[in-house]
Amino acid sequence: DGGITQSPKYLFRKEGQNVTLSCEQNLNHDAMYWYRQDPGQGLRLIYYSQIVNDFQKGDIAEGYSVSREKKESFPLTVTSAQKNPTAFYLCASSILQGSPDTQYFGPGTRLTVL
Amino acid sequence: SQKIEQNSEALNIQEGKTATLTCNYTNYSPAYLQWYRQDPGRGPVFLLLIRENEKEKRKERLKVTFDTTLKQSLFHITASQPADSATYLCALIKAAGNKLTFGGGTRVLVKP
Repeated sequence: DGGITQSPKYLFRKEGQNVTLSCEQNLNHDAMYWYRQDPGQGLRLIYYSQIVNDFQKGDIAEGYSVSREKKESFPLTVTSAQKNPTAFYLCASSILQGSPDTQYFGPGTRLTVL
Repeated sequence: SQKIEQNSEALNIQEGKTATLTCNYTNYSPAYLQWYRQDPGRGPVFLLLIRENEKEKRKERLKVTFDTTLKQSLFHITASQPADSATYLCALIKAAGNKLTFGGGTRVLVKP
């Protein structure tokens, strides 16, 4: 059963704590992305990676970090430097060749800061 | 600055009618435009892609148009059903291999 998995589905964090959101894909896609979605708003790009061991900042990278040690995995760390981390976080992947950047999304992680 | 605008007000429509959503953009020359569907609490799902040299694309009850002169895309759901109720997002991309930029989405509610 191919697809993208994200865990956990819900995550609660105390102020000052770093948390890591998991994203795994078995679609053999080259590129992976992290987005943030706030209520009633569209998706904003945090980080993306087109190849293993390489990644680029998106539009709102401050307070976040990522790694891409394996093609299948692209974890996102929300650091204590992120001032307003409560949001819905979406991971996506795409092939990069063929149909231009059709993105396949995971189910999302809802992060709440207590 | 680059901007993508979708109607933030929800679209309420009677079952069987055609829903029409707009996506307008400024300071942008996209090579491709995509439409996604998002249900509450879930990730978006890809629906349709249209290229800059295409005027119209259809898939079952869905139709997308792309007017690069008006800088606008229209998304139509014909013979709408309550199951079509969701938020619909448009996304632009300059060229293959570049990142997508999403609009804010329009919520559609189809009443039986």
